[in-house]
Amino acid sequence: KAGVTQTPRYLIKTRGQQVTLSCSPISGHRSVSWYQQTPGQGLQFLFEYFSETQRNKGNFPGRFSGRQFSNSRSEMNVSTLELGDSALYLCASTFQETQYFGPGTRLLVL
Amino acid sequence: GEDVEQSLFLSVREGDSSVINCTYTDSSSTYLYWYKQEPGAGLQLLTYIFSNMDMKQDQRLTVLLNKKDKHLSLRIADTQTGDSAIYFCAESVNQAGTALIFGKGTTLSVSS
Repeated sequence: KAGVTQTPRYLIKTRGQQVTLSCSPISGHRSVSWYQQTPGQGLQFLFEYFSETQRNKGNFPGRFSGRQFSNSRSEMNVSTLELGDSALYLCASTFQETQYFGPGTRLLVL
Repeated sequence: GEDVEQSLFLSVREGDSSVINCTYTDSSSTYLYWYKQEPGAGLQLLTYIFSNMDMKQDQRLTVLLNKKDKHLSLRIADTQTGDSAIYFCAESVNQAGTALIFGKGTTLSVSS
């Protein structure tokens, strides 16, 4: 089976812009979770989607949002980008209590 | 709130055993995980343990869980230079294992 895929792999934006990242889970996996990884804060849970519904949410501001489509693909959106949003954004799909991570999207906000 | 702590750095010689330690706070965690991250890459699942187990062995990897002390360890036998990476301990804050709290990671450096 193909692994979790994320697009794009790299992205450069400027402050105030918005960005949309995409994640395709492993075939058959219905849960997609998103994480932000920064050198200072480490890996932090953003949110999880299951059957097109947000099922769990971390402690991030409302500028961070997501959605899931009927084919389980997920997108996350960050509006009004700030310099501190520069990070590696990882998504993971879950099967039998085990998360499998994609390679991540590296976002740089200038 | 939930928190996971790990030592930040470990240096070993090739062929030695490595032991990476982790403490967590949420006693209701159902699953505990170890992930590996190499430079520029995503997270690779190494192994996980269910909270009602004390030990799990998987080839060169041994996980020990002390639930009373909320202490988790990962032992890598016969450590190789290819094991050099960052190792993350994580606890699941829900039964489904879809929301993980990660430690800051332990950088393992293996010298030949």
